[in-house]
Amino acid sequence: GAGVSQTPSNKVTEKGKYVELRCDPISGHTALYWYRQSLGQGPEFLIYFQGTGAADDSGLPNDRFFAVRPEGSVSTLKIQRTERGDSAVYLCASSVALRGAPYYNEQFFGPGTRLTVL
Amino acid sequence: AQTVTQSQPEMSVQEAETVTLSCTYDTSESNYYLFWYKQPPSRQMILVIRQEAYKQQNATENRFSVNFQKAAKSFSLKISDSQLGDTAMYFCAFSSSNSGYALNFGKGTSLLVTP
Repeated sequence: GAGVSQTPSNKVTEKGKYVELRCDPISGHTALYWYRQSLGQGPEFLIYFQGTGAADDSGLPNDRFFAVRPEGSVSTLKIQRTERGDSAVYLCASSVALRGAPYYNEQFFGPGTRLTVL
Repeated sequence: AQTVTQSQPEMSVQEAETVTLSCTYDTSESNYYLFWYKQPPSRQMILVIRQEAYKQQNATENRFSVNFQKAAKSFSLKISDSQLGDTAMYFCAFSSSNSGYALNFGKGTSLLVTP
């Protein structure tokens, strides 16, 4: 079946502009995660959703970042007043409903959106 | 908070040889998962292998195996019979139910397999 998709694959914007990054998870996956990967670093957690609600947004760097998932499927990461330091690859991942051990909730990643802020 | 440390920024191995990538982590939790992910230049994160902390037996997936030392908080990846297609960034990662299974990644090790 189809994997996680992210659009656009690349986004170039100017400092101060607003951007939206979209993630389409695997059908039926209720958990959705956003990560940010800066050049030469490992991905860093931003936020995750369980269904429609943001269960943990502790990784969002500041209030310019916001994410929604209104119908429990597609999610949009929104960045206001972009800064050059926001340039990174933004990764999305999804998994089935979260369950405890002995179940394992494998995350399936999308190809990411490369954001460049000039 | 959990931390994941990969102390080898770059490694190189010849085709058909064996290489071991190191990872240490710090946590106060008793139930958690550890992973190795591969990221080729295409950016797609691919799960290589996982280990449940409550399992004593080291995980194995074909040419990939781990050495999980829970007391030492060490989780190394061994790649046997290295292939040119193994060239990629490798990330060690940690997750637990306390953080909704969000992944906490190390900084990665760049592995180059040479002919």
